[in-house]
Amino acid sequence: GAGVSQSPRYKVAKRGQDVALRCDPISGHVSLFWYQQALGQGPEFLTYFQNEAQLDKSGLPSDRFFAERPEGSVSTLKIQRTQQEDSAVYLCASSSRTGFYEQYFGPGTRLTVT
Amino acid sequence: DQQVKQNSPSLSVQEGRISILNCDYTNSMFDYFLWYKKYPAEGPTFLISISSIKDKNEDGRFTVFLNKSAKHLSLHIVPSQPGDSAVYFCAASWLQGAQKLVFGQGTRLTINP
Repeated sequence: GAGVSQSPRYKVAKRGQDVALRCDPISGHVSLFWYQQALGQGPEFLTYFQNEAQLDKSGLPSDRFFAERPEGSVSTLKIQRTQQEDSAVYLCASSSRTGFYEQYFGPGTRLTVT
Repeated sequence: DQQVKQNSPSLSVQEGRISILNCDYTNSMFDYFLWYKKYPAEGPTFLISISSIKDKNEDGRFTVFLNKSAKHLSLHIVPSQPGDSAVYFCAASWLQGAQKLVFGQGTRLTINP
């Protein structure tokens, strides 16, 4: 596709529910990133994939957060037993091998935990 | 610890004048800096970047300046246009950081007609 797409755009979950957020990166981009953006703050790094390999997951806030990219394209961020503090916008970004540092972001998924 | 700081939460500029957005960083390992622009309900859009081996990069109306000794960078927009009204994020990265970006808190720029 032309850009990074994410679904759903909005998700409301009751505390304790599991959620799955999907990211479709730009075709051919080998690197994929997940960020969490709290209200009024800048995005914060969660995890990074190069193709299907998860090379850095240092930003995942707890073991309730899990990400995968099994075939090196689409990625899913899963949050188990959601808590109110998980409410945020979850952004996915991808980058090409040649544009090493420039990352291109999707529109994000706004998660609200009630 | 906030490694990238944008100390001005908001900035208001008259159309046609220069907008200057500032960013400070603390980590000496950062070697690449980027500016992103964000409209409501959209993801950040890449605007311009600069490598630590340069002190200036220009792209049309946008110029980024890097002062490594002061650990400071700025984004200049000349002339400012109403469509420039958005939140601007400064971000930094480093080679050993596996490409992850560290963002500032953002500055909301409003261009007044």
